[in-house]
Amino acid sequence: SAVISQKPSRDICQRGTSLTIQCQVDSQVTMMFWYRQQPGQSLTLIATANQGSEATYESGFVIDKFPISRPNLTFSTLTVSNMSPEDSSIYLCSVWPRDNTEAFFGQGTRLTVV
Amino acid sequence: DAKTTQPNSMESNEEEPVHLPCNHSTISGTDYIHWYRQLPSQGPEYVIHGLTSNVNNRMASLAIAEDRKSSTLILHRATLRDAAVYYCILRGVNDYKLSFGAGTTVTVRA
Repeated sequence: SAVISQKPSRDICQRGTSLTIQCQVDSQVTMMFWYRQQPGQSLTLIATANQGSEATYESGFVIDKFPISRPNLTFSTLTVSNMSPEDSSIYLCSVWPRDNTEAFFGQGTRLTVV
Repeated sequence: DAKTTQPNSMESNEEEPVHLPCNHSTISGTDYIHWYRQLPSQGPEYVIHGLTSNVNNRMASLAIAEDRKSSTLILHRATLRDAAVYYCILRGVNDYKLSFGAGTTVTVRA
């Protein structure tokens, strides 16, 4: 199993600013992902956070808007840059430990942009 | 990605079973059927998964049709804590990225 800690749990930010979300895992994992959940919607994959190399982004998401760092196998950050109200969402970190049959998710970061 | 179709919502009474259907007619031979649920204000959590045979665990049972084009998640005795959005997801054998559909919102009446 894996226990994920996300910080902050929630924040209210001004438009035009940036917020960095941290994801800390209690064990080393290769597979780490960032998801977005817009209000009332399902989860959408933003990117795969690769350790030691650039993240792999899904269609519709770009590095300039959502830069991701993955300095080691237990930690990653997602930055939401130049925020607008449309970025108001819950952002979730997820990991898939080796030899596991399931993914684990953090509690999410609830972001409100005003 | 192979897609799944689920009802938008289902209601159940406490202590009664809940049967959540999922259609996945385009499933490939190596796709696993995964179920996750998302309780209010929490991240998704794993419920159960299967490939061809029916599966049971402490949370639920998964019944898979013989042609694998549909499956049913069974909560044997619903409790208020089971109120959540339940997602049926197909996953390729070497694919660790989960594609979430709209899911089924389960309401449990006391």
